[in-house]
Amino acid sequence: DVKVTQSSRYLVKRTGEKVFLECVQDMDHENMFWYRQDPGLGLRLIYFSYDVKMKEKGDIPEGYSVSREKKERFSLILESASTNQTSMYLCASSFSGGGSLGTDTQYFGPGTRLTVL
Amino acid sequence: SQQGEEDPQALSIQEGENATMNCSYKTSINNLQWYRQNSGRGLVHLILIRSNEREKHSGRLRVTLDTSKKSSSLLITASRAADTASYFCATDRSNYKLTFGKGTLLTVNP
Repeated sequence: DVKVTQSSRYLVKRTGEKVFLECVQDMDHENMFWYRQDPGLGLRLIYFSYDVKMKEKGDIPEGYSVSREKKERFSLILESASTNQTSMYLCASSFSGGGSLGTDTQYFGPGTRLTVL
Repeated sequence: SQQGEEDPQALSIQEGENATMNCSYKTSINNLQWYRQNSGRGLVHLILIRSNEREKHSGRLRVTLDTSKKSSSLLITASRAADTASYFCATDRSNYKLTFGKGTLLTVNP
């Protein structure tokens, strides 16, 4: 079974702090994703990485950066946390093989609920 | 951008009844997936249906896809209390990305 783990289930930080959210997958997947989930807004893609050191902005990248130094690890960084970044953060990974014929299945971690005070 | 939109937003049924959720989308797709999310947890993949398929089954799940109407439905038969969760449809985008809908919250009462 694919396993995606996230470093914390719950995190409380103060405004202005630098926050690191870590995600690790054990299935040698090329693709990794960071989403945030807010009530009424669903899942929104923050950043996407398709290979080591490669990244692509998602729909809401402002205020975030990412790092992918190793294939299995994808980090989300909040350079200066703000209260509007209080949210549930979900990491996911997927395999690149198969092109458009239906191998886009994403495997999710348990989520990190971040509160910024 | 949100492409998939689930309907209804919330659904409450009794154990043993069937639950049907719908998803509509706007642009052409290669495949459509359904995911489940238990409260406060990550999403779990349930089933994928390709654009050239019309119906797919997996256990108590039945998914249909109508590309002419740009819609899909998820049917859960003989529901159980453990099926209580949020259900999301997801459509493929470029570069292996997915667009998720806002979800249907299903409550199955014992």
